[in-house]
Amino acid sequence: GAGVSQSPRYKVAKRGQDVALRCDPISGHVSLFWYQQALGQGPEFLTYFQNEAQLDKSGLPSDRFFAERPEGSVSTLKIQRTQQEDSAVYLCASIQGPHQGSTEAFFGQGTRLTVV
Amino acid sequence: RKEVEQDPGPFNVPEGATVAFNCTYSNSASQSFFWYRQDCRKEPKLLMSVYSSGNEDGRFTAQLNRASQYISLLIRDSKLSDSATYLCVVILRFMDMGRRALTFGSGTRLQVQP
Repeated sequence: GAGVSQSPRYKVAKRGQDVALRCDPISGHVSLFWYQQALGQGPEFLTYFQNEAQLDKSGLPSDRFFAERPEGSVSTLKIQRTQQEDSAVYLCASIQGPHQGSTEAFFGQGTRLTVV
Repeated sequence: RKEVEQDPGPFNVPEGATVAFNCTYSNSASQSFFWYRQDCRKEPKLLMSVYSSGNEDGRFTAQLNRASQYISLLIRDSKLSDSATYLCVVILRFMDMGRRALTFGSGTRLQVQP
């Protein structure tokens, strides 16, 4: 596609509900990142994929968070048993590299998750 | 101490003013540096890359000081449309497998007033 696409744009979940957030990166982009952005804060790193390999998941805040990218393209971030502190915007970014191409990161519009 | 730090602002300046933001980073092995702009309720978008030699794009000038570990963004003749949050982005890790982690500052909010 022309850009990074995320869905849904908005999600309201009841506390305890499981949610799945989808990211469609730019076609051919090797690197994919997930970030969590709380209101008034900068994006905080969650996890990084290089193709289908999850090379860094050090930013995932708890074992309720799980991410996958099974075919090296679309990625899903799953949050189990959502809590109110999970309310945030979840941003996905892709980069063409690392080994070649631009290092510019392209962002999706984000999924705004509200846990009630 | 956070790996990338910015003054959160807000910076309230009149139209036509010159304004400068700084961003400091703690890891001397940092590889690449960028300024992103984020409008309210929108995703971050690349404003400009930052090079050691400095770079300029119209009213915007970015500079990198590796010795002091900071980057700066200068906006001249500010416009109302420059009102946004400016995020400093640092690529911290580049290992053999090409693993990278972009780290963001918390952003500096700029409000240009008429």
